Order: sequence, then structure tokens, then C-alpha cells
Amino acid sequence: DVKVTQSSRYLVKRTGEKVFLECVQDMDHENMFWYRQDPGLGLRLIYFSYDVKMKEKGDIPEGYSVSREKKERFSLILESASTNQTSMYLCASNEAGLRDNEQFFGPGTRLTVL
Amino acid sequence: ELKVEQNPLFLSMQEGKNYTIYCNYSTTSDRLYWYRQDPGKSLESLFVLLSNGAVKQEGRLMASLDTKARLSTLHITAAVHDLSATYFCAVRNYGGSQGNLIFGKGTKLSVKP
Repeated sequence: DVKVTQSSRYLVKRTGEKVFLECVQDMDHENMFWYRQDPGLGLRLIYFSYDVKMKEKGDIPEGYSVSREKKERFSLILESASTNQTSMYLCASNEAGLRDNEQFFGPGTRLTVL
Repeated sequence: ELKVEQNPLFLSMQEGKNYTIYCNYSTTSDRLYWYRQDPGKSLESLFVLLSNGAVKQEGRLMASLDTKARLSTLHITAAVHDLSATYFCAVRNYGGSQGNLIFGKGTKLSVKP
């Protein structure tokens, strides 16, 4: 089974702090994604990566950056956390080139910025 | 720009009843996904629909895809309490990055005895 893990289930940070959210997948997937989920808004793509050191902006990249130094690990960085970044963050991965392109999700990190 | 709309957003059902959740999308796509999310949990893949007329069934859930109408349905038969969850449809975005999905806002289903 595909396994996508995230470093923390719950995180509380203060405004202005630098925050790192880590995601690891164990199925050698090329593509990895970061979404945020907010009530009434569904899932929105922040960034994704299709290869090591490659990244592409999603729909809401402002205030975030990402890092992918190894194929299995994709990090989301909040350079200076703000209260409007309080949300559920979901990481996902999939294998490039497969017809079904199904994405597999991690358990999520619920981030609260005070 | 691809947009995905689900309706209803909230659905309260009695056990034993049937109902359908609708997912409309605005531009061409040939891949549609249904996910389930339980409260406080992540998304679990239910169905992947890859072609016009595709129909998949598992238990009391059946999903179908009409690419010409840009419509997918998730039909619930004889609902039971265990089906209470939020259901998301997602569509592959051709105009976006490879593997990028656009999600609907979700349908929160509550099945009451």
C-alpha cells in the first residue's frame, strides 16, 4: 500500500514564526503536492513538485515556499506564519504517467497560528 | 479555468433511503475522482473514472461519468450510518500542471437512523 506520512498531526505556532511541514512518501512517486483545506472552500493546491528540485506554483502559493531535495520528501515552508494560514494542510503524491493518476493523501496537519 | 461544482453541499438522509450527489465541471477532462473524508481524517480514494460512460460500484456507492455533459454522479443506495462523511469529486486539470486536480467543495453527508 502507498503510504504518505506527515510530520505532525497538530501544530500551534505564533505569528511571524517560520514553520516547516514535512511530507514523506514511500512509493517512489514522482509527483508530490501540498493542499490546504478550509471549510466551505474544499481543497486548494498550494505547490506541487514533479521531480527533485523542481516545483510549480498552484492556485494559492502566496506566503508559502517548498523544498524537494529528495524524491521521497516534500516540505512546505511558511516563512513568516500569519493567522490566515491557520488551516488543515494535506500532502499527496502520485506516479507520473499512469493513466489513472490517482493521488494518495497523507493524514493531514492541522496548523493553528496564534 | 476549470471549475468543479458539487451539489448538494450538505445532505441529511435517513437510513435506507437513496440519493445522488452531483459533480459538474466546466471544461474538458477525461479523469474524474471521488474521495471520502471522515471527520478529522485524510482523504480516501473511492473511485477513478477514466472514460465516458464509466460506471464503478462498491457496496452501496455507485459512480458514473458522462464526459459530454461534464457530469459525474455518486449514487447512494439504501444509506447506512457508516456512509456519513464528506465526499469530494476532483477533476484532472488539463490546463494546469501534470497530475494537478481541481476539487469540488465537498458534500457533507449525514445518515440518520
